[in-house]
Amino acid sequence: DIVMTQSPDSLAVSLGERATINCKSSQSVLYSSNSKNYLAWYQQKPGQPPKLLISWASTRESGVPDRFSGSGSGTDFTLTISSLQAEDVAVYYCQQYYNTLYSFGQGTKLEIK
Amino acid sequence: EVQLVQSGAEVKKPGESLKISCKGSGYRFTSYWIGWVRQMPGKGLEWMGIIYPADSETRYSPSFQGQVTISADRSITTVYLQWSSLKASDTAMYYCARHNSGIYLDAFDIWGHGTMVTVSS
Repeated sequence: DIVMTQSPDSLAVSLGERATINCKSSQSVLYSSNSKNYLAWYQQKPGQPPKLLISWASTRESGVPDRFSGSGSGTDFTLTISSLQAEDVAVYYCQQYYNTLYSFGQGTKLEIK
Repeated sequence: EVQLVQSGAEVKKPGESLKISCKGSGYRFTSYWIGWVRQMPGKGLEWMGIIYPADSETRYSPSFQGQVTISADRSITTVYLQWSSLKASDTAMYYCARHNSGIYLDAFDIWGHGTMVTVSS
């Protein structure tokens, strides 16, 4: 099984500042045949289902603000919020879909400082 | 509008059986894999398994293999998650979610609102 480990577990950032969340997989999620990283990022607000923000490690979903960006390859990935807004308070999860034994990171709780 | 509508909250006793549902609409139901995700109270997301409604091909997480059954009824565009004997530790919110595209390995772009299952004596 691929284990996904996020850091930090929680994060407090001032409004307008940058927030960075890391995700590390226990094995590479990069398919050499198509050069794609099978890695997604989700945002979950209280009382709501998760929302897909980024797929393929760096492809932002339609309607997701451009302050959200994903980067990384292989085993190390980052979700960056360039200028934190109040509505970005949530728990963020990474997920690998490299094989059908999908797995999520433990989540990172993002708060306002 | 593409959506997944889940059945309502359930309160059950240990040892009872349960089947919850997830109805897809607004898209070609048989072309997209649908998965189930568990979220225990105050905890993170756990992937349980996935099904391809066209032929009911199913994959399970080892953590849930043998504990639950995932099935689909194409005629009513509905996917199910069922337990034969519930335990208190099954108390959780259960989400169904659809693949972003029709491919085999993909992220989940459409999520149901969740079904809260409470198991208590």
